[in-house]
Amino acid sequence: AQSVAQPEDQVNVAEGNPLTVKCTYSVSGNPYLFWYVQYPNRGLQFLLKYITGDNLVKGSYGFEAEFNKSQTSFHLKKPSALVSDSALYFCAVRDDGNTGKLIFGQGTTLQVKP
Amino acid sequence: EPEVTQTPSHQVTQMGQEVILRCVPISNHLYFYWYRQILGQKVEFLVSFYNNEISEKSEIFDDQFSVERPDGSNFTLKIRSTKLEDSAMYFCASRTGGGNTIYFGEGSWLTVV
Repeated sequence: AQSVAQPEDQVNVAEGNPLTVKCTYSVSGNPYLFWYVQYPNRGLQFLLKYITGDNLVKGSYGFEAEFNKSQTSFHLKKPSALVSDSALYFCAVRDDGNTGKLIFGQGTTLQVKP
Repeated sequence: EPEVTQTPSHQVTQMGQEVILRCVPISNHLYFYWYRQILGQKVEFLVSFYNNEISEKSEIFDDQFSVERPDGSNFTLKIRSTKLEDSAMYFCASRTGGGNTIYFGEGSWLTVV
């Protein structure tokens, strides 16, 4: 069965510093991987996805993610964090059934301090 | 930009009461989903719906839950007799037939007292 894991409950970073939010995956076949962000009391906003092609994927709000097949990872990155990036981040993998549903990691809270 | 819309944003209900959560998916989308998120926990899949029928459901989605697409635009989740443990944020989501990206609504907070 497809799964993703986010090993960190919380990541703290100073504004202006680079940030990384980690995600590892376990799949049969080729993974379809996603990152979503949830601001307080809001819905899930799509950030970016990896389906095929370049291992470095660029998304919304200056975020990017690097797909690493050998390490089965899909870490979310941003070169310079903003206080407004503080939110809950979810990694997800598309299930291998025909419904296309997503299976989410447990989420990582990103706290960017001024 | 088209978006998934959900109503109500927040509902408080007494245990044992029926609740209907409503969603309007993006208009050209063909796959519809309900997920839930208990406070502070991960986002869990409930059910997927395609071609006017349930295509997959999780073990959470028991006989107390049902979904319906009554009029070609709305997509509803009904909880027949709510329990305290149904308190959660419920997200509606949708995607196109050939697309991979699932778009989520803002969610409906359900509080069962």
